[in-house]
Amino acid sequence: DQQVKQNSPSLSVQEGRISILNCDYTNSMFDYFLWYKKYPAEGPTFLISISSIKDKNEDGRFTVFLNKSAKHLSLHIVPSQPGDSAVYFCAATRGSSNTGKLIFGQGTTLQVKP
Amino acid sequence: EAGVAQSPRYKIIEKRQSVAFWCNPISGHATLYWYQQILGQGPKLLIQFQNNGVVDDSQLPKDRFSAERLKGVDSTLKIQPAKLEDSAVYLCASSLEGGFTEAFFGQGTRLTVV
Repeated sequence: DQQVKQNSPSLSVQEGRISILNCDYTNSMFDYFLWYKKYPAEGPTFLISISSIKDKNEDGRFTVFLNKSAKHLSLHIVPSQPGDSAVYFCAATRGSSNTGKLIFGQGTTLQVKP
Repeated sequence: EAGVAQSPRYKIIEKRQSVAFWCNPISGHATLYWYQQILGQGPKLLIQFQNNGVVDDSQLPKDRFSAERLKGVDSTLKIQPAKLEDSAVYLCASSLEGGFTEAFFGQGTRLTVV
């Protein structure tokens, strides 16, 4: 039962352009969503999050959009830089419960070409 | 602030042998997670602790995997006996508590079962 899905295994963009990574979820109880970035041989690092009371959260070049009715979120990176090349994971949880499970998607590998 | 510490970084064992992984979470973090990440897939939650109690272990193969978190701090994950399909990266993460907080990951332990 894949509750969090990232349907695009990979994405390639040119440096300076926008990268858009997508994520869908099925569990309507999820109310807190996170994006993590992972480089090879390292653990995932937290990037940005959004709670379900918002539809947008921005942090520098990174913006996450949440569409609750569609159970869809996306991460926008503008402008993309070669150092952004990594695997990006979407995760979801029940933030309103302090024992909610943190569930991850399969990941999208982003390659930013110079 | 020290991050999540995991050891060992790498381990190679033969099938049917046993292995143990150790995790020291960030000080003060009540929630501790163990994830299994198979190559090309997203992290899969094996077990989640809140202090020294188990919140969820529904995806832990209990016939061969066990985990404990003594005194609500350090944790160990054990596999006995190991199978070839257990080859993966085992990630430990911690958070202040579940809910609207992000989890911080260690570098992981890469297990190869031959």
